[in-house]
Amino acid sequence: QGQLVESGGGPVKSGGSLRLSCAASGFDFSDSYMTWVRQAPGKGLEWVSYMSSTGIYTNYADSVKGRFTISRDNAKMTLYLQMNSLRADDTAFYYCARADSSTGMLDHWGRGSLVTVSS
Amino acid sequence: SYELTQPPSVSVSPGQTARITCSGDTLPKQYTYWYQQKPGQTPLLLIYKDTKRPSGIPERMSASTSGTTVTLTISGVQVEDEADYYCQSADSTSAYWVFGGGTKLTVL
Repeated sequence: QGQLVESGGGPVKSGGSLRLSCAASGFDFSDSYMTWVRQAPGKGLEWVSYMSSTGIYTNYADSVKGRFTISRDNAKMTLYLQMNSLRADDTAFYYCARADSSTGMLDHWGRGSLVTVSS
Repeated sequence: SYELTQPPSVSVSPGQTARITCSGDTLPKQYTYWYQQKPGQTPLLLIYKDTKRPSGIPERMSASTSGTTVTLTISGVQVEDEADYYCQSADSTSAYWVFGGGTKLTVL
């Protein structure tokens, strides 16, 4: 059974940076699109970014474009999200999820890592 | 930016049928996925590729499409179905992924 474990969250000042990691196990990571989804406390899900299995294709939500960078290390089965110029409205739980390559479904989710940005 | 529209809330009594809609211009051209999220838990995939159910999801969870609207139907609603439900799809032009705003299902 696949598992995803996020780490790297925590408190940070507005304008600061954080790097989230997501360690994968139990599935073919190198054949999977991976994505970051966030959820502000008490709010809905918001897609943040995705990266193709080889890393060639990436995409970002307008709200984070130019500030966040997604990357992956297939040898380490780890997904990353570098977050720069953080703002208060970036405060959220950040989930990594796997997108099945044939169906596109997000079938594995991590438990999330909380990022709290204070001014 | 592309948006998917869901009703904020739906209420039903146990045993009734709940229907949650999701509307978006490109839904006829892009697959829709549905997720259930209970308080304090991570999202759970309910439906993929518009109408398909992953293994382990009960048959009373189903979905249908009609033009720019997709509908998640929960038959014989149980108290345990009380949760937030999100649709998800993609924008054909930008390839952005997008979630609907979520619908809180209350089982009275």
